[in-house]
Amino acid sequence: SQTIHQWPATLVQPVGSPLSLECTVEGTSNPNLYWYRQAAGRGLQLLFYSVGIGQISSEVPQNLSASRPQDRQFILSSKKLLLSDSGFYLCAWSRDRGNSPLHFGNGTRLTVT
Amino acid sequence: AQTVTQSQPEMSVQEAETVTLSCTYDTSENNYYLFWYKQPPSRQMILVIRQEAYKQQNATENRFSVNFQKAAKSFSLKISDSQLGDTAMYFCAFRGMGNNDMRFGAGTRLTVKP
Repeated sequence: SQTIHQWPATLVQPVGSPLSLECTVEGTSNPNLYWYRQAAGRGLQLLFYSVGIGQISSEVPQNLSASRPQDRQFILSSKKLLLSDSGFYLCAWSRDRGNSPLHFGNGTRLTVT
Repeated sequence: AQTVTQSQPEMSVQEAETVTLSCTYDTSENNYYLFWYKQPPSRQMILVIRQEAYKQQNATENRFSVNFQKAAKSFSLKISDSQLGDTAMYFCAFRGMGNNDMRFGAGTRLTVKP
């Protein structure tokens, strides 16, 4: 069976510090990978998605970036965090496009102080 | 770009009653997929039900069913015999047939009251 791991679960970082959130998938190959952000009490905003190693599509440039160094690894980064980067970050994978659902990790609650 | 609208920020229902959550979407595509996800207080996103636009029959999963109206671009979720464990945020989502990304609505917070 497939599993998705996302860490850390919670993170408190000062403004201006760097960020690295990691997500890995097990039990499948060549998955589509996604990063979403959920602001408090709001919907999910698509940040990045990837259909293969080194292939990143950006929806919201801002000061965040994503990388896919390996087939089942997806990393969300920032060089300098802003207060507005606070939120709940969700990583997800799917087999392919179409009717394949997204399978989500448990999320990372990021608080920028 | 496709947009998904959930016009009910919050709803409540008595235990054992039936509730319907609304969702509309905007697209120029003819073939696409629609989903409902549940996010309980644990924040884990759970797939509730999905519908292919080329299927006329409404999808059903136990107590959960959808009313898919393609012409109206409407995709509502009906929860029958509501249970306390149904208390959660519910998100409607859209995915085009040729697309890799999935777009979500703002969500509806459902509270089931005992």
